[in-house]
Amino acid sequence: QSALTQPRSVSGSPGQSVTISCTGTSSDVGAYYYVSWYQHHPGKAPKVMIYDVSERPSGVPDRFSGSKSGNTASLTISGLQADDEADYFCCSYAGTYTPAVFGGGTKLTVL
Amino acid sequence: QVQLVESGGGLVKPGGSLRLSCVASGFTLTDYYMSWIRQAPGKGLEWLAQMTTRGTIYYADSVKNRFTVSRDNAKNSVYLQVDSLRVEDTALYFCAGQYDLWNGYPRSYFDPWGQGTLVTVSS
Repeated sequence: QSALTQPRSVSGSPGQSVTISCTGTSSDVGAYYYVSWYQHHPGKAPKVMIYDVSERPSGVPDRFSGSKSGNTASLTISGLQADDEADYFCCSYAGTYTPAVFGGGTKLTVL
Repeated sequence: QVQLVESGGGLVKPGGSLRLSCVASGFTLTDYYMSWIRQAPGKGLEWLAQMTTRGTIYYADSVKNRFTVSRDNAKNSVYLQVDSLRVEDTALYFCAGQYDLWNGYPRSYFDPWGQGTLVTVSS
């Protein structure tokens, strides 16, 4: 069982928006603004899409956005495109001795 | 081009050992906090261990005393020695880095990542 809880799967049609939730505890997601989201196409290296809850690295489209409320963080992808189909993982800092806890991953299907 | 490449995975019997390697190119490994992370089949990611730029190492409780991280600065590489392997250690093992912004304050996110090396533990 993963430390952070994500839905196993979400889906949407091209052009639509989807939101993926990531629920932790007051010791990780709720305690720090260090939540990041990764896109993983199987066989490739995971790619950071959002960091520090809502910041986008250079090169990531603004269709990707992040937020947090209490112990739950969210990733929203708007204007879905076929290439967005991938696994998405959330990650939170949880202290010096546990620098990262991850979610179980969400498979996004673009219908 | 900034890149991490893992190797050393394979099929091993329970109780066996492997040494996983992670070679960096396009950047200097000692400028990064380097972590090992794994994904078991059908499961989420699990952080295993981290070596800081100063050489301090942290381990997840699940692998403490069985896994050992080391670094070879001359080869720009980091390693994960995995001993006393169990069936439940079967996973894709990734290395990933966090840039050290101010000598002890790493970025909060992992970038870059490697593509992973597969470890299968089976009799």
